Amino acid sequence: GQQLNQSPQSMFIQEGEDVSMNCTSSSIFNTWLWYKQDPGEGPVLLIALYKAGELTSNGRLTAQFGITRKDSFLNISASIPSDVGIYFCAGQGSNYKLTFGKGTLLTVNP
Amino acid sequence: DAGITQSPRHKVTETGTPVTLRCHQTENHRYMYWYRQDPGHGLRLIHYSYGVKDTDKGEVSDGYSVSRSKTEDFLLTLESATSSQTSVYFCAISQTFPGQGDTGELFFGEGSRLTVL
Repeated sequence: GQQLNQSPQSMFIQEGEDVSMNCTSSSIFNTWLWYKQDPGEGPVLLIALYKAGELTSNGRLTAQFGITRKDSFLNISASIPSDVGIYFCAGQGSNYKLTFGKGTLLTVNP
Repeated sequence: DAGITQSPRHKVTETGTPVTLRCHQTENHRYMYWYRQDPGHGLRLIHYSYGVKDTDKGEVSDGYSVSRSKTEDFLLTLESATSSQTSVYFCAISQTFPGQGDTGELFFGEGSRLTVL
């Protein structure tokens, strides 16, 4: 099946720093989604990308759909303590099923 | 917030016992999913449904069965629970299948934590 490599696995940063994480795959995806999961809750959609090369922002978050359709990145600018959580990428390929990355655990020190 | 309710939210059971988790939605979405979340594995699809009585297997379906007798309810059953099924289970819903624009976006419930002793 299709697999996603999400990196880094975890990040420890200071408040105010920028963050970057990415997902890569050996397969082509038609859609990339980025989710955030707060402790004890379900994932919540942050950004959806539907076209290769697409760059989309949601507040301090920016995500891009790679030109090759095999990767995507998520940037968070000027991090704040409430950014803490697990960030997941998810890709949808030709079989219309979503494949999730293993997540990036973000810790923000005030 | 999407109207998704999972029950129970927490359950401890013993190996060999049957367990049923329930997902109830008030959004009238056609598609419903069951995922499990484990450290180091992220979210893995167990089963999904594309309509009443229409279900299909995901990538980790062994040991699980599902049923959908009404649009709003999707049940996940472990016929004989094993310790390897200790996990956090998430239900998700979407209007259309993933990839079909914003109507294919998944909304998740709050999760059900299952411990099998």
